[in-house]
Amino acid sequence: AQSVTQLGSHVSVSEGALVLLRCNYSSSVPPYLFWYVQYPNQGLQLLLKYTTGATLVKGINGFEAEFKKSETSFHLTKPSAHMSDAAEYFCAVSEANYGQNFVFGPGTRLSVLP
Amino acid sequence: SQTIHQWPATLVQPVGSPLSLECTVEGTSNPNLYWYRQAAGRGLQLLFYSVGIGQISSEVPQNLSASRPQDRQFILSSKKLLLSDSGFYLCAWRTSATNEKLFFGSGTQLSVL
Repeated sequence: AQSVTQLGSHVSVSEGALVLLRCNYSSSVPPYLFWYVQYPNQGLQLLLKYTTGATLVKGINGFEAEFKKSETSFHLTKPSAHMSDAAEYFCAVSEANYGQNFVFGPGTRLSVLP
Repeated sequence: SQTIHQWPATLVQPVGSPLSLECTVEGTSNPNLYWYRQAAGRGLQLLFYSVGIGQISSEVPQNLSASRPQDRQFILSSKKLLLSDSGFYLCAWRTSATNEKLFFGSGTQLSVL
């Protein structure tokens, strides 16, 4: 079985400051890992994903995440927060080789202060 | 290109009434289809997923059911809604060709009063 935990249900940063959203996963098989963003009353959009290869992955809007197998982590970062980054962020795990299940973490709400 | 349609966008229903939410996917074939619920202030809960017509897997015992009458159609239903069924319902799809990514519909905000 797979599971995802996200430390911090709400994170606040100042505009221009570093964004760090934490994600840890549990999986008995090689995982595929994802970060999604959700704006109010909308569906989810993919930010970035890790499947195989390079463990540092870059996504849209300047976000990136690093897969650390030894720490079972996939933390999301952005060097400089922008007001438009305020949203809900979800980490997700899926089994490699097109596993059918797709498990999301509880989400972290990011607020960006002027 | 592929698109996913989900309707209605908002729905207000009284307790005890039936429910039918529909999701259709265009531009792809044999997708895996998913229903998620997002309760206020909570994460995404996987309700059902389907790997083919008539094949439904339920993740959480509940007052809801799902059906897949056609390859690209996924329906979420209830015979009698409960207050606890309120939430934001999201349909999603993926195929092996999308390299594991899930694509989401725009969601249905359901309020049960």
